[in-house]
Amino acid sequence: NAGVTQTPKFRVLKTGQSMTLLCAQDMNHEYMYWYRQDPGMGLRLIHYSVGEGTTAKGEVPDGYNVSRLKKQNFLLGLESAAPSQTSVYFCASRATSSHEQFFGPGTRLTVL
Amino acid sequence: TQLLEQSPQFLSIQEGENLTVYCNSSSVFSSLQWYRQEPGEGPVLLVTVVTGGEVKKLKRLTFQFGDARKDSSLHITAAQPGDTGLYLCAGNQAGTALIFGKGTTLSVSS
Repeated sequence: NAGVTQTPKFRVLKTGQSMTLLCAQDMNHEYMYWYRQDPGMGLRLIHYSVGEGTTAKGEVPDGYNVSRLKKQNFLLGLESAAPSQTSVYFCASRATSSHEQFFGPGTRLTVL
Repeated sequence: TQLLEQSPQFLSIQEGENLTVYCNSSSVFSSLQWYRQEPGEGPVLLVTVVTGGEVKKLKRLTFQFGDARKDSSLHITAAQPGDTGLYLCAGNQAGTALIFGKGTTLSVSS
């Protein structure tokens, strides 16, 4: 099992560009999450999904969109990147019966 | 509003010392988790505590959940360089998402 994988690992964007971060999990988990991690800020929830075809806003959703067309994939989109979105992005998943979240290795995004 | 306050934010100690990290809140949690994150990787779960007053041990790490389920502590005995990392507490309020503290960065030097 690969667990939770994220692509790409690193990306540099210019202000105004768009991109999509892909998260995939092979554990058949219902719940999936996108977080951003900034120095001294801990993990902040951007969006999450409780199952295929569902999405919900987290603490810091502005500037991001998500889609969960397949149970194993959770996509995070930035339509018009801003320097404030420079961060490390983590995807996580969990089973319905547990609150243990399994995290991916992260995507380091820099917006110039 | 930061519901989970972790202290200290940074801790730098020598190998062999003991240390305690705290996670405090004014809110009640149905369960609380501790994660450890190494540089360049995602957080990994260390333990989940569920019952007020519960104590769990994981080798040299001792986790305690407060009686009122509002706070928790992580105690490390005889710290080793391999314990270096970011320690995050996360609380569940019977919702679908966890609330994370800002973390404690621990550095253990030999």
